[in-house]
Amino acid sequence: EPEVTQTPSHQVTQMGQEVILRCVPISNHLYFYWYRQILGQKVEFLVSFYNNEISEKSEIFDDQFSVERPDGSNFTLKIRSTKLEDSAMYFCASTPEQSYEQYFGPGTRLTVT
Amino acid sequence: RKEVEQDPGPFNVPEGATVAFNCTYSNSASQSFFWYRQDCRKEPKLLMSVYSSGNEDGRFTAQLNRASQYISLLIRDSKLSDSATYLCVVNWFGGGSNYKLTFGKGTLLTVNP
Repeated sequence: EPEVTQTPSHQVTQMGQEVILRCVPISNHLYFYWYRQILGQKVEFLVSFYNNEISEKSEIFDDQFSVERPDGSNFTLKIRSTKLEDSAMYFCASTPEQSYEQYFGPGTRLTVT
Repeated sequence: RKEVEQDPGPFNVPEGATVAFNCTYSNSASQSFFWYRQDCRKEPKLLMSVYSSGNEDGRFTAQLNRASQYISLLIRDSKLSDSATYLCVVNWFGGGSNYKLTFGKGTLLTVNP
């Protein structure tokens, strides 16, 4: 069964450093998303992406965040200058056309020290 | 503010018990509804979509009441493997061609032998 994959599984970085989180959505899916979950809190929407552009972003997704689909398979989330409060699990999700069901990758645990 | 509220839990039940989860949502324009389950430090996994007519998948039954803005999940004959956090998730149309999921905080279920 096709799955969303994410790398790395765990990323440790120092405050102020840039990080890039990588996702490979399911191959025939057309809509892509990033969510985050701070430890002990609920899953929160960050951004949605379709047809090579952002469709919607939340108030969390400020100028420090960017997304890109650099080729036909990868979908990346970049945080330019990480803060301590960026420490969280970051989940990528994707959806096929004509569906509302989103399928999540295993997540990247980001730890900012 | 668009919110999804769930029973705070936690629920501790013996194997074989029937357990019910309740959820309310604030936005009457909500489009679609889901139950996800999340194991500790793992990604949310789609359990089932919830339809207006109610739907059943084996031991799991989901109900939706749009007038009351209420969603429920019933698990019959609970198994040890049902132990997880159950997430009520609502999809609001975010404009354009994308949808974003709004998650409840989840209800932790522990099934005991």
